[in-house]
Amino acid sequence: QSALTQPASVSGSPGQSITISCTGTSSDVGGYNYVSWYQRHPGKAPKLMIYEVSNRPSGVSNRFSGSKSGNTASLTISGLQAEDEADYYCSSYTSSSTLVFGGGTKLTVL
Amino acid sequence: QVQLQESGPGLVKPSQTLSLTCTVSGGSISSGGYYWNWIRQHPGKGLEWIGYIYYSGSTYYNPSLKSRVTISVDTSKNQFSLKLSSVTAADTAVYYCARDGRGYGRFDYWGQGTLVTVSS
Repeated sequence: QSALTQPASVSGSPGQSITISCTGTSSDVGGYNYVSWYQRHPGKAPKLMIYEVSNRPSGVSNRFSGSKSGNTASLTISGLQAEDEADYYCSSYTSSSTLVFGGGTKLTVL
Repeated sequence: QVQLQESGPGLVKPSQTLSLTCTVSGGSISSGGYYWNWIRQHPGKGLEWIGYIYYSGSTYYNPSLKSRVTISVDTSKNQFSLKLSSVTAADTAVYYCARDGRGYGRFDYWGQGTLVTVSS
């Protein structure tokens, strides 16, 4: 299966909001509400930020939110903070009962 | 707090078999309800799902790797393992183990990752 499509990089200033898109097909993102988002700081393990499109695990800031429209899912981070600078990855369940990830987006806080 | 830790050789020769183990602490693999996964990241690339094993021993693999992958579990040691045969330089990557709470890609706990280089 092909990887989900994410922008290579996004940037924003502290306090601003940014959105990262994750585009797939009707066989993955569009077909299931099983999209997750992960944050990864250099040298660290990925951290689950959003699951099942829009749910936040306990302990994750409510500045992080997720949504989906058609074959595209989105992660929005509001009130950007320096600590949000990291790589972000989306993933989706697929019609083949497999899991597929996006290529990753590097977020820079200016 | 559940913790996962990968271990295994950091260097594997081409055509040989890559073997990694993930040790789980703070929770029992055999307690049920979770899917234990292997995921990798090639240098400078995105993440790639390799496959999972359920606590019962049932497995599911990425079709692109299925012919070369075996994931097994040792509940007595609270570990699960990855074997990838006939490796090439294209298998050089950071390998992660991760727990999925639902089987649909909700990876709530991850290991730190281990770099495996395939080179002679």
